[in-house]
Amino acid sequence: QKEVEQNSGPLSVPEGAIASLNCTYSDRVSQSFFWYRQYSGKSPELIMSIYSNGDKEDGRFTAQLNKASQYVSLLIRDSQPSDSATYLCAAGGYQKVTFGTGTKLQVIP
Amino acid sequence: KAGVTQTPRYLIKTRGQQVTLSCSPISGHRSVSWYQQTPGQGLQFLFEYFSETQRNKGNFPGRFSGRQFSNSRSEMNVSTLELGDSALYLCASSLTSGDIQYFGAGTRLSVL
Repeated sequence: QKEVEQNSGPLSVPEGAIASLNCTYSDRVSQSFFWYRQYSGKSPELIMSIYSNGDKEDGRFTAQLNKASQYVSLLIRDSQPSDSATYLCAAGGYQKVTFGTGTKLQVIP
Repeated sequence: KAGVTQTPRYLIKTRGQQVTLSCSPISGHRSVSWYQQTPGQGLQFLFEYFSETQRNKGNFPGRFSGRQFSNSRSEMNVSTLELGDSALYLCASSLTSGDIQYFGAGTRLSVL
């Protein structure tokens, strides 16, 4: 079992719709969770970090964390073609950060 | 505040050669991690250094090595290059291990 699991996609959504990206993790000692966006040929850039159960909103992005279910999600409202990228989920614990393999999102104009 | 700087950005080598990549972290960051990314693959963790000590190591052969200097700058070395080593090598820095990682632009290595 991979430590951080994501559906590889692609996830296709029409422009203006809500994109929902999901992630599960196996290490219960993980305390911090991150979402990164990576455009093709570029390096990952941090979108959101979340440390406690519940929702955290930043503009069009909402991160959700449920530690009991070991589940993290990212919602992108009013999806734009520029949101088309691979989204990486990561879990931070004692002395390490573990990345998922990423979900490719395609926003169709 | 300057970001993470990786040099060189592009590198072309032939099989059997060795290569050294450099990473300068964000000022004040003591943790530096290295990743390999190939087309269609996720981030493959190589190793992490904190205050000049290797704390974690991924599942890569001994041809891959690294070090960190007292100013937190880090280098990664790959000896006896193989065609399969062609990849984007990413460096990320963070204040502490397990914290938010900030990535450099990467070094794209091509092995011919």
